[in-house]
Amino acid sequence: LAKTTQPISMDSYEGQEVNITCSHNNIATNDYITWYQQFPSQGPRFIIQGYKTKVTNEVASLFIPADRKSSTLSLPRVSLSDTAVYYCLVGVGGNTDKLIFGTGTRLQVFP
Amino acid sequence: EPEVTQTPSHQVTQMGQEVILRCVPISNHLYFYWYRQILGQKVEFLVSFYNNEISEKSEIFDDQFSVERPDGSNFTLKIRSTKLEDSAMYFCATSSVRSYNEQFFGPGTRLTVL
Repeated sequence: LAKTTQPISMDSYEGQEVNITCSHNNIATNDYITWYQQFPSQGPRFIIQGYKTKVTNEVASLFIPADRKSSTLSLPRVSLSDTAVYYCLVGVGGNTDKLIFGTGTRLQVFP
Repeated sequence: EPEVTQTPSHQVTQMGQEVILRCVPISNHLYFYWYRQILGQKVEFLVSFYNNEISEKSEIFDDQFSVERPDGSNFTLKIRSTKLEDSAMYFCATSSVRSYNEQFFGPGTRLTVL
């Protein structure tokens, strides 16, 4: 499974857009990019998944450049409740069960 | 919205004792997982389970661990003889398909081994 690198922490203020970038230089052709969110003392929660270009849902957008060696999770207009750890995961759809979590990015949103 | 539930929310046990952690999956999901997270560390995969058998397991999931779905609804993780280092949050997750896709996590059971 491709190794991922993301910032350890980020700070933001309410109402701002937050972009968290993840590097995955050795991503394989079949790999999808998935982001999870984890609040303290809770289980991770799926946010978004993509393969290439841009994916948007009601929570976030995911931007993936053509070479797919990185991806950016974009959270529009964050609020205090977006304070959490965000994990970027890269893996092969359909060929494995396990999710491999890294250390994630700890996002702190201030008022 | 359907959700995964886990019981108990917190379990305290003595070293060497057996513990059983329980999970109720989302009703139409067929794939079940256990993960653990030691305080301040990464979420780690333990095991996946489908069609009443283990489909994948990690190095952590040694002979002290077992999983089963005894009654067709609950999905359990048993630790036969707990060690201090088993203290962690244990998360059950379920999914409707076997893919590197959305897994729905429960709220976790905090296991404290004294």
